Amino acid sequence: GIQVEQSPPDLILQEGANSTLRCNFSDSVNNLQWFHQNPWGQLINLFYIPSGTKQNGRLSATTVATERYSLLYISSSQTTDSGVYFCAVVTGANSKLTFGKGITLSVRP
Amino acid sequence: GAVVSQHPSRVICKSGTSVKIECRSLDFQATTMFWYRQFPKQSLMLMATSNEGSKATYEQGVEKDKFLINHASLTLSTLTVTSAHPEDSSFYICSASRAALEPQHFGDGTRLSIL
Repeated sequence: GIQVEQSPPDLILQEGANSTLRCNFSDSVNNLQWFHQNPWGQLINLFYIPSGTKQNGRLSATTVATERYSLLYISSSQTTDSGVYFCAVVTGANSKLTFGKGITLSVRP
Repeated sequence: GAVVSQHPSRVICKSGTSVKIECRSLDFQATTMFWYRQFPKQSLMLMATSNEGSKATYEQGVEKDKFLINHASLTLSTLTVTSAHPEDSSFYICSASRAALEPQHFGDGTRLSIL
């Protein structure tokens, strides 16, 4: 099956700093989603981005499908950005998401 | 839009009890719903895929008789953990999708603890 690798595994930032989270995948994908899981376990949908670039406030994401990677940019980080960021992809027509192992982000005040 | 409600949020019960978890799409019809399991500090693992009116498709290694899934309508899917034991303790999360290749929208999860 497809391999989804996220890097770095852990990230510590000072409030106000910017960061880039990376997701590499081993095969062509039909769908790619970025999620933020907060400390209470809630999984928040950040982007649905099989290709191209999208922006939502301080967050933006870019997927380069031909090179099999996606990037999530966080600007002016806040303590509420802490949590785990997951990248997940769909291959084929069955809609099943395969998740990466996640990136644990801690933003210090 | 695209709100998914999952209930209950937390369950603590004795070994041998069966536990039912509900997943509802509140403002859209979900042709497909998914059930995931997440252990502490780990990623989400897909357990099964359910389509309205048909039997669920289970991932390899997931016991069908232990984890019963019913998708009776376009807005409701249920997961029943039968005769639960401490090793079934975990965080269970559902998601729903309007159609194939549409984004999945997730519930808030159910933290199950079996004593």
